[in-house]
Amino acid sequence: KAGVTQTPRYLIKTRGQQVTLSCSPISGHRSVSWYQQTPGQGLQFLFEYFSETQRNKGNFPGRFSGRQFSNSRSEMNVSTLELGDSALYLCASSFEASEQFFGPGTRLTVL
Amino acid sequence: GENVEQHPSTLSVQEGDSAVIKCTYSDSASNYFPWYKQELGKRPQLIIDIRSNVGEKKDQRIAVTLNKTAKHFSLHITETQPEDSAVYFCAATKISGGYNKLIFGAGTRLAVHP
Repeated sequence: KAGVTQTPRYLIKTRGQQVTLSCSPISGHRSVSWYQQTPGQGLQFLFEYFSETQRNKGNFPGRFSGRQFSNSRSEMNVSTLELGDSALYLCASSFEASEQFFGPGTRLTVL
Repeated sequence: GENVEQHPSTLSVQEGDSAVIKCTYSDSASNYFPWYKQELGKRPQLIIDIRSNVGEKKDQRIAVTLNKTAKHFSLHITETQPEDSAVYFCAATKISGGYNKLIFGAGTRLAVHP
């Protein structure tokens, strides 16, 4: 099976802009979770989608949002970007609630 | 709230030695404990996991132990090799009723010197 894929792999934006990241899960996986990885805060859970519904949510401001499509592909959006949003954004897919497989990540730099 | 503490933050060993990384979780409802290895510039990869109905699990040179009473779990790597050098993350979650949110420890940077 093909692994989890994420696009784009790298992104440079300026403060105030918005950004959309995409994640394609492993075929058959209906759960997609998003994590933010930074040197200072480590790996932090953003949210999880299952069958097009947000099932779990982390402690991030409302500027961070997401959605899932009927084919299980997921997107996350960050509006009004801040310098502190610079991070590696990882998505992970799983079959129901089980081991999570990570994608390669999208490296977002906010200038 | 939910929290996972991981120690040490850095670990340096000689090739062939053993390495132990320890984690403590706060949510007593947690029942699934995976360990991920992340090499520089790469994605986290699951290396071993354990569920709360098991006290120990082993896979070749890697083992994980769980003490539910103390809310501790540990990763043991024996006969370390240079390719074991990476950052290791422990995580905890409660898998039930659609809950699927991994809480990660801060990570341990393991360096194995030849």
